[in-house]
Amino acid sequence: SAVISQKPSRDICQRGTSLTIQCQVDSQVTMMFWYRQQPGQSLTLIATANQGSEATYESGFVIDKFPISRPNLTFSTLTVSNMSPEDSSIYLCSVEQGADRPKNIQYFGAGTRLSVL
Amino acid sequence: GQNIDQPTEMTATEGAIVQINCTYQTSGFNGLFWYQQHAGEAPTFLSYNVLDGLEEKGRFSSFLSRSKGYSYLLLKELQMKDSASYLCAVSAYSTLTFGKGTMLLVSP
Repeated sequence: SAVISQKPSRDICQRGTSLTIQCQVDSQVTMMFWYRQQPGQSLTLIATANQGSEATYESGFVIDKFPISRPNLTFSTLTVSNMSPEDSSIYLCSVEQGADRPKNIQYFGAGTRLSVL
Repeated sequence: GQNIDQPTEMTATEGAIVQINCTYQTSGFNGLFWYQQHAGEAPTFLSYNVLDGLEEKGRFSSFLSRSKGYSYLLLKELQMKDSASYLCAVSAYSTLTFGKGTMLLVSP
């Protein structure tokens, strides 16, 4: 399975600022995903990021708040913009490896723990 | 819409067998996944079912009934390290929808 590195692993930020989270994969992958996991909750998909196209956002998430870049097949960033305490959460990236299709297994990074004061 | 239900918490003793149930109502279905997540760590893939029946993988087995919208994860010979959250997730249209997870506590 792919090895996925996320940076930073955790951060404490002031409200109104922005944080960019990086996700690096050790192999080329077509589909990358960004999730949010709020305290005591399960994972909620924010968006799907495919190389060479705009990210596809799920209901309740918008590009202005969570801009995503996908410059190549091994890297993506998620920015949490104009943060408020409600954005405090764990943010995870995941990848789907083509070799696993049609199972569509997703492999996850360790996550970024964000606290907004 | 998607709705996935699983118990919030379960407890069991070391060496025992535990079954974690998951029911779902989803629009579209490409398969059902179980993930394990230890506190502060990433979810890790455990099992996948797309056809009805039982899939066995060592101490872990997973069952699916598509007509009933029902799955379970069976853990045998429980070990302390099995204490974790177990997430049921349904795949549809290339995305995964996760349940809220079942926190399993294994005691000596």
